[in-house]
Amino acid sequence: GENVEQHPSTLSVQEGDSAVIKCTYSDSASNYFPWYKQELGKRPQLIIDIRSNVGEKKDQRIAVTLNKTAKHFSLHITETQPEDSAVYFCAASMGNQFYFGTGTSLTVIP
Amino acid sequence: GAVVSQHPSRVICKSGTSVKIECRSLDFQATTMFWYRQFPKKSLMLMATSNEGSKATYEQGVEKDKFLINHASLTLSTLTVTSAHPEDSSFYICSARARPTERTYGYTFGSGTRLTVV
Repeated sequence: GENVEQHPSTLSVQEGDSAVIKCTYSDSASNYFPWYKQELGKRPQLIIDIRSNVGEKKDQRIAVTLNKTAKHFSLHITETQPEDSAVYFCAASMGNQFYFGTGTSLTVIP
Repeated sequence: GAVVSQHPSRVICKSGTSVKIECRSLDFQATTMFWYRQFPKKSLMLMATSNEGSKATYEQGVEKDKFLINHASLTLSTLTVTSAHPEDSSFYICSARARPTERTYGYTFGSGTRLTVV
C-alpha cells in the first residue's frame, strides 16, 4: 500500500512567521492530497487539498505545492497566528482510501 | 455541508465485553465509509473500508474478527470491538465521502469515539 512520511513531527514558530510541513508518498498512482488540521480531542478538519493535475494551490494564508516527479508535497502557512496551533496531517489517496502522514504538531508562539 | 455523526463520543467498558460504535452520514448518502484508529499524539491509521451492502475491506494487520464492521445502509456503518482488551483503548474515528455528484471532493470525519477498556 501507500506509505506517507511527514516532517517535521514538531514545529514551533513565532507568531507572524511562516511554517512549512513536508510530506512524501510512495505510490505514483496517488492523485489526491488533502491536508487536515486536528485540534486536541477533535475531528480532523480539511484545510486545503490538491489534485495531481495541479502544482500549487493557495487559499488565503495557506498554500500547498505538489511535485509529482519527486512524489512530495508541502503545506505552507504564512503569517502564522496562535490559533494555527494544532496537529496537521497530510494524506495521499488513490480512489477512496486515504493514507495519512504521521502528523506535525505546530505551536505558534505569541 | 456534509455532516458525519459518530456515537458514542466516549465509552468505558470492562475487559472482555463488546462495544459498538455508530457512524452516520446525516445529509448525504455514503456508499463507502472508513474507520480509523488514532493513538495519543499519533497519526490516523486506516483500519478498514466499509462498503454498503458488502463485506468490509480490512487493512493488513487488522483483525477482522475482532473489529466487526457492518454497513447496512447508505447512511450507517458500525464498528464493533469484540472482546475488548485494554490494548484496544484508543480513539476511533470514521469518515465518509459523499457521492461524486456532491460539490465537495473532500472526506468528512465523524467526531470520534474515545474507547477506554478497563
